[in-house]
Amino acid sequence: DGGITQSPKYLFRKEGQNVTLSCEQNLNHDAMYWYRQDPGQGLRLIYYSQIVNDFQKGDIAEGYSVSREKKESFPLTVTSAQKNPTAFYLCASRDRGRYTGELFFGEGSRLTVL
Amino acid sequence: AQKVTQAQTEISVVEKEDVTLDCVYETRDTTYYLFWYKQPPSGELVFLIRRNSFDEQNEISGRYSWNFQKSTSSFNFTITASQVVDSAVYFCALSSDSSASKIIFGSGTRLSIRP
Repeated sequence: DGGITQSPKYLFRKEGQNVTLSCEQNLNHDAMYWYRQDPGQGLRLIYYSQIVNDFQKGDIAEGYSVSREKKESFPLTVTSAQKNPTAFYLCASRDRGRYTGELFFGEGSRLTVL
Repeated sequence: AQKVTQAQTEISVVEKEDVTLDCVYETRDTTYYLFWYKQPPSGELVFLIRRNSFDEQNEISGRYSWNFQKSTSSFNFTITASQVVDSAVYFCALSSDSSASKIIFGSGTRLSIRP
C-alpha cells in the first residue's frame, strides 16, 4: 500500500543528544514536510522540501536539520540545540507544485527528552 | 499574512447531537484552498475535504457537511447525528498562491462525543 512511514513511533532521548526521525514515502511525491505538534497547539512547520537535494526552513527550524538525498526519504534530526524538543512530530508529503493538493501524513513520532 | 483561527478549543456533546466546528481564515490571495483534517487518538491526520476559493457550494458527505462563506471568511464543518467514533481533534487549514509550498493549520478543535 502507498503511504508514509515514520519511525520510531516513540523515542526517548537524554538532554544533549541528537536524534534522527525517519520518514519514508512511496507515493512518488516530490514535496515532503516536517511538522511539530505540541499539546493544545496546531501544527507548526519545521522544514519542507519540494525536490531532492533542496529544502527550506519553516517557521520553527532552529535546532533542527534535515536532508533530502532521495525522493522517498526526508529524515529530521533534532539536535541538542533544540531547547524544548519534547513533542509529537509529523511527516507529510504531497505532489510538488500542486498547492491545491492535500497533504498525506505519517503516523507520527513522539519524542520525549528525559 | 495568512492565518487560520479555530476559536473552539474543545467541544463536548452527547451522541446523536449535531455539532459545528468553526474555522475563520485570513488571506489576501484570491485563489486559495481550504482543508479539513481529522486527527484520531492514533495521531495520524486524515484528510476530509478540500475546497477552492471559487467554489462556494456547500458540500455534504454522509453525516459531514461543510459551509464555505467567502463573505465572512469562514469554512465551518458540521457533523450531524454525532457518533463516538467522531471523537478526535479536527484541524482547518489554508493553502494559497503566496504560500504555495505550505499549508497553514489552525490550532485545532478537540471534539468529544459522549455516549
